[in-house]
Amino acid sequence: TQLLEQSPQFLSIQEGENLTVYCNSSSVFSSLQWYRQEPGEGPVLLVTVVTGGEVKKLKRLTFQFGDARKDSSLHITAAQPGDTGLYLCAGVRQGAQKLVFGQGTRLTINP
Amino acid sequence: NAGVTQTPKFQVLKTGQSMTLQCAQDMNHNSMYWYRQDPGMGLRLIYYSASEGTTDKGEVPNGYNVSRLNKREFSLRLESAAPSQTSVYFCASSVLGGKGYGYTFGSGTRLTVV
Repeated sequence: TQLLEQSPQFLSIQEGENLTVYCNSSSVFSSLQWYRQEPGEGPVLLVTVVTGGEVKKLKRLTFQFGDARKDSSLHITAAQPGDTGLYLCAGVRQGAQKLVFGQGTRLTINP
Repeated sequence: NAGVTQTPKFQVLKTGQSMTLQCAQDMNHNSMYWYRQDPGMGLRLIYYSASEGTTDKGEVPNGYNVSRLNKREFSLRLESAAPSQTSVYFCASSVLGGKGYGYTFGSGTRLTVV
């Protein structure tokens, strides 16, 4: 059983469409992070959210941390082929030290 | 500015052989980690070192050992490789463990055990 459940696990859409990826848990997290991983490379940090209800924007990407700090979402506006990759959410549970990962969402943007 | 460097990038082992995966970081980070990545399972923590001189087990430590050689280097050893250890292994580092600190990952070691 994954501590962090991501949905969907696979998503294939056309260039220009919008999409949302979800990261859910029954546990409270002190922080949540989103990473993007390309084939043959390690994950690269996109953003960290630490406050319940926090919203952060990174160009066309919007990240939100749930009010109860149990979930997060990643919204991409007007997706581009360069957004293709594996998106991973990861979090540190309240009182813990270690980062745990969701199983990932494999995103494909078709031209 | 290399970040986190892992060697080797690829390795094929026979069942029962041993090997050590090397990891070094040049960012003066205190904490270092070893993860394995398998399809559909995300990244699972094998071992971590919160600071120089300390190591602790993660979620899947069986069959592995680690050494925090100094602040820069953290190695992962497989004493007797098994096919179940076929995976992609990632080393990561962070300023500190815990809330809010992002991890920097190496580019991975793809290990196949036959």
